[in-house]
Amino acid sequence: NAGVTQTPKFQVLKTGQSMTLQCAQDMNHNSMYWYRQDPGMGLRLIYYSASEGTTDKGEVPNGYNVSRLNKREFSLRLESAAPSQTSVYFCASTGTVTEAFFGQGTRLTVV
Amino acid sequence: AQSVTQLDSQVPVFEEAPVELRCNYSSSVSVYLFWYVQYPNQGLQLLLKYLSGSTLVKGINGFEAEFNKSQTSFHLRKPSVHISDTAEYFCAVRRIQGAQKLVFGQGTRLTINP
Repeated sequence: NAGVTQTPKFQVLKTGQSMTLQCAQDMNHNSMYWYRQDPGMGLRLIYYSASEGTTDKGEVPNGYNVSRLNKREFSLRLESAAPSQTSVYFCASTGTVTEAFFGQGTRLTVV
Repeated sequence: AQSVTQLDSQVPVFEEAPVELRCNYSSSVSVYLFWYVQYPNQGLQLLLKYLSGSTLVKGINGFEAEFNKSQTSFHLRKPSVHISDTAEYFCAVRRIQGAQKLVFGQGTRLTINP
């Protein structure tokens, strides 16, 4: 039982490059989330998806796009990376009455 | 909208001493409450959760938390800490009904000194 799988684990980008962070869960959860974690700021919600085909902005959506391809997968895209997007990114999923399960994170550096 | 405030960004304690990590939340509707722990260079794992029923909930590793609806608090406690408890701790809330965004506090870094 893999839970929540994120790829890649590490990534270095040059300013202006684009990339997609992938996330998949095998727990049949409806809700999926993308967070970024920065020192002293906790986890801030970037985007949220309540179900397949629906997405909603979180606290810090600027510079990001998301796609809920199906119930299992929720990807996060950076169209033109900026140094301010250097962070650790976490994907999570949750069922209706359960806690959230997290991936292991993606450490992204934009130079 | 919900919000979470963790009142201490850092808490240093000596080994075997008790500890309390404070969490207050704001919400106009009923919520579920969670505490997560993050060990260095790892993801987040659940310590405990309050969904309903008894306001005192017990979690893993000897931690417990008490839900206080009147004070909108969900403080985390452990009677005797160990070096291995050194980690960052996050309080989180989620609405019971409607949009179920999971909102986190800023985190509390717990450092255990020998």
